[in-house]
Amino acid sequence: AQTVTQSQPEMSVQEAETVTLSCTYDTSENNYYLFWYKQPPSRQMILVIRQEAYKQQNATENRFSVNFQKAAKSFSLKISDSQLGDTAMYFCAFMRNQGGKLIFGQGTELSVKP
Amino acid sequence: NAGVMQNPRHLVRRRGQEARLRCSPMKGHSHVYWYRQLPEEGLKFMVYLQKENIIDESGMPKERFSAEFPKEGPSILRIQQVVRGDSAAYFCASSQLTDTQYFGPGTRLTVL
Repeated sequence: AQTVTQSQPEMSVQEAETVTLSCTYDTSENNYYLFWYKQPPSRQMILVIRQEAYKQQNATENRFSVNFQKAAKSFSLKISDSQLGDTAMYFCAFMRNQGGKLIFGQGTELSVKP
Repeated sequence: NAGVMQNPRHLVRRRGQEARLRCSPMKGHSHVYWYRQLPEEGLKFMVYLQKENIIDESGMPKERFSAEFPKEGPSILRIQQVVRGDSAAYFCASSQLTDTQYFGPGTRLTVL
């Protein structure tokens, strides 16, 4: 069975600085998807970024980028130029290549301080 | 293109009553997923449906919970004889084929 682990329950960063959130996972699959979702105080789940395991190139979306290390089963999220609106709970998630359920980590609560 | 719609946003039920949660997927999406988020926890998968079919219900409690996604209309998550432990946020997500899932705003169920 697949598992996803986020070892940092809480983190904080100063506005305009860079922060990295960690995520590790366990799977015997070779092809799969990895995601980061954010959940701000409104509780809406918002997709931040997606990575296909067969792609060696790390995904980027504006200020958000990932460091995908397939052999180490590591999938960290880097947020550059942090903004107050980035304050949220961040969840890492795994999905098999064939689709189906998302398996979520426990979440990291990020606070961006002015 | 409208996002995933869920209603109601907030639902209050007394113990023993029934709760019905509705989810309309994004236009063009035929795959629907339900997740539950207990207070201070992450999201846990409940059930995966396509039109008129349950694909995976491995996360659904064996009793009192059921889900459907009819040919016409929204997907429904039904909880019979609710108990206080059912109080949670219930999220619906949809996808096109087996791809990225987009979430609705959630329904917050409170059982008194």
